[in-house]
Amino acid sequence: ETGVTQSPTHLIKTRGQQVTLRCSSQSGHNTVSWYQQALGQGPQFIFQYYREEENGRGNFPPRFSGLQFPNYSSELNVNALELDDSALYLCASSLDPAGVETQYFGPGTRLLVL
Amino acid sequence: GNSVTQMEGPVTLSEEAFLTINCTYTATGYPSLFWYVQYPGEGLQLLLKATKADDKGSNKGFEATYRKETTSFHLEKGSVQVSDSAVYFCALSERGSARQLTFGSGTQLTVLP
Repeated sequence: ETGVTQSPTHLIKTRGQQVTLRCSSQSGHNTVSWYQQALGQGPQFIFQYYREEENGRGNFPPRFSGLQFPNYSSELNVNALELDDSALYLCASSLDPAGVETQYFGPGTRLLVL
Repeated sequence: GNSVTQMEGPVTLSEEAFLTINCTYTATGYPSLFWYVQYPGEGLQLLLKATKADDKGSNKGFEATYRKETTSFHLEKGSVQVSDSAVYFCALSERGSARQLTFGSGTQLTVLP
C-alpha cells in the first residue's frame, strides 16, 4: 500500500507565471483535498475533488483550479502567480468526501514565487 | 464561520516534562476535533481525535478531551520525549458532504535532552 505522494518537492516561479502541482492518492482513496500552508500558519482548505468533480471550495480565487483523473490522482493549477502564493501546498486523500478521519496527507510541495 | 485558536509558540521543554498546548474553537455546528502533528519534511499526521462532547482522544501518550462548555480541546502529555519535537496543529471539521479541516496556526514544540 503506497502513501500519498506529491511532485515536485520544491519549485521556484516568478510572479505572473502558472504552476501545476501533482498528487498521487493513497491506494483505494477516491477523494483528494488540497490545502495551502503559508509559513508559520496552519493549512487552509483550497478545494476537494471527488470522482473527478469539485466537491467543495474554500476562500480562494478562481485562478486556483484543479483536476482529478480516473485513477484519482489530482493536479492543482495556479495561474497568474502572486508573491503571496508562496507556501507549502499539501494534498490529502481519503476514502470518501466525509472521511476526514481516514485522510492521509502527502509531504507537500514548497512553492516560492519571486 | 469556524475558527481555531491555538496557544502561541514556540514551546521548549526538557525531556520528561509535562506538556499542555491549549486549543479553543468557534464553530457554527457540532464539529469533530483533531490534533495533527507535522515532523520536519513530512506530511501532517493525525495524532488523535474526538467526535462528541466529553470524548477523550488518546494516542502515543497524548490526550485531549472535547469540552463543549469551554469550546476547548487542549493537548496534554505527561512526559515528553525528544522525539516528540514537532509542530502540533489543532483542527476541527464540521459534518457535511465535503468535510474540510479548519486548522489553528500551529505550535512548535522542542524537547531538549
